[in-house]
Amino acid sequence: GNSVTQMEGPVTLSEEAFLTINCTYTATGYPSLFWYVQYPGEGLQLLLKATKADDKGSNKGFEATYRKETTSFHLEKGSVQVSDSAVYFCARNYGGSQGNLIFGKGTKLSVKP
Amino acid sequence: ETGVTQSPTHLIKTRGQQVTLRCSSQSGHNTVSWYQQALGQGPQFIFQYYREEENGRGNFPPRFSGLQFPNYSSELNVNALELDDSALYLCASSLGVQGGAGELFFGEGSRLTVL
Repeated sequence: GNSVTQMEGPVTLSEEAFLTINCTYTATGYPSLFWYVQYPGEGLQLLLKATKADDKGSNKGFEATYRKETTSFHLEKGSVQVSDSAVYFCARNYGGSQGNLIFGKGTKLSVKP
Repeated sequence: ETGVTQSPTHLIKTRGQQVTLRCSSQSGHNTVSWYQQALGQGPQFIFQYYREEENGRGNFPPRFSGLQFPNYSSELNVNALELDDSALYLCASSLGVQGGAGELFFGEGSRLTVL
């Protein structure tokens, strides 16, 4: 099938803690993979992406590596800040279409000072 | 640069009614995609419009329809509303349709409640 599974939230961390949000996908072929973030009161925005195996996407201190062998794209950040509190969505594209993304259910992250 | 704007932001309808949601794409973007996001779920792809034609559709019934206008803005129409149609409807714009790795730019959504 074609799906994206990400760890359930909510996740609550203290400032400067290490963050991992797990994401796995199913696909025939090699989709492009994305992490989108939704800050409170804002629309979804692209955080990072990777288009082929072993690619590492990075942005704002967040990283994720496209792992073909484990069909995973886990999101990590070494030291979270209060401003990272948001809902994070893992996604893959479908059928080579740019506009057709399959999203996970989202993981809500709360970072406490 | 103007971002993606959607209207209305909130609306309430009753079962059986029809609704039209509107989206203005980001300046220079020629492709619009629509998503439905139920509470606590990730967005689900409804369809995509490119050059005023539907260019890909998700698993949604025909009562979900759309339009794209020459200025690339778009409408989502839902007929015969059902309670399960209550959701946040997201519009996203992008440049082009192929490649699979381009960035989608999302609006803040229209929250529809069906009573």
